[in-house]
Amino acid sequence: EAGVTQFPSHSVIEKGQTVTLRCDPISGHDNLYWYRRVMGKEIKFLLHFVKESKQDESGMPNNRFLAERTGGTYSTLKVQPAELEDSGVYFCASSPNQGSLSYEQYFGPGTRLTVT
Amino acid sequence: GDSVTQMEGPVTLSEEAFLTINCTYTATGYPSLFWYVQYPGEGLQLLLKATKADDKGSNKGFEATYRKETTSFHLEKGSVQVSDSAVYFCALLDDKIIFGKGTRLHILP
Repeated sequence: EAGVTQFPSHSVIEKGQTVTLRCDPISGHDNLYWYRRVMGKEIKFLLHFVKESKQDESGMPNNRFLAERTGGTYSTLKVQPAELEDSGVYFCASSPNQGSLSYEQYFGPGTRLTVT
Repeated sequence: GDSVTQMEGPVTLSEEAFLTINCTYTATGYPSLFWYVQYPGEGLQLLLKATKADDKGSNKGFEATYRKETTSFHLEKGSVQVSDSAVYFCALLDDKIIFGKGTRLHILP
């Protein structure tokens, strides 16, 4: 069974540009999560989808970040316009349980975003 | 709010040495506790977990005991191997997962 995949693995963009990160969860997983690790700091929760609905987006830093999960399958996270402080590693995770958060989350390898 | 504090890295040990990575937490409730590991080039993997006080999680020779009285969940392994080189994250689950900053472990042959 394929794990959680993320694309691209690394992205380098200039300040002010737009970047879209993609996450493909494990097939059949209703829950999808985005996290971010800024250099030297904690991995922080960004948001949680249950199927195509946003269950919790309390961790989204500001309105330059837009996450979608049309059709309840893969998800995209768009940053527009990107700022220097957006640099970091963006992790996606999925879990099979419906409803509330489950600790059995399966993580992808992450996308390293560098904004110059 | 809830938080997790773990020892700063990097930690460098020789093969077969004893490992301890300290982790303490602050939480208003009674969270579940976890250690995740990220090997080079891979995603985060759940290493072990404990869901209530005095529970001991174990996996791959690693152990951690949920200590409510000291609000700790220290990771230990009796004899490390080169293949244990990775970044280790302590985490708690209350209504969402909260991670520590991670500790990079280097094991020298």
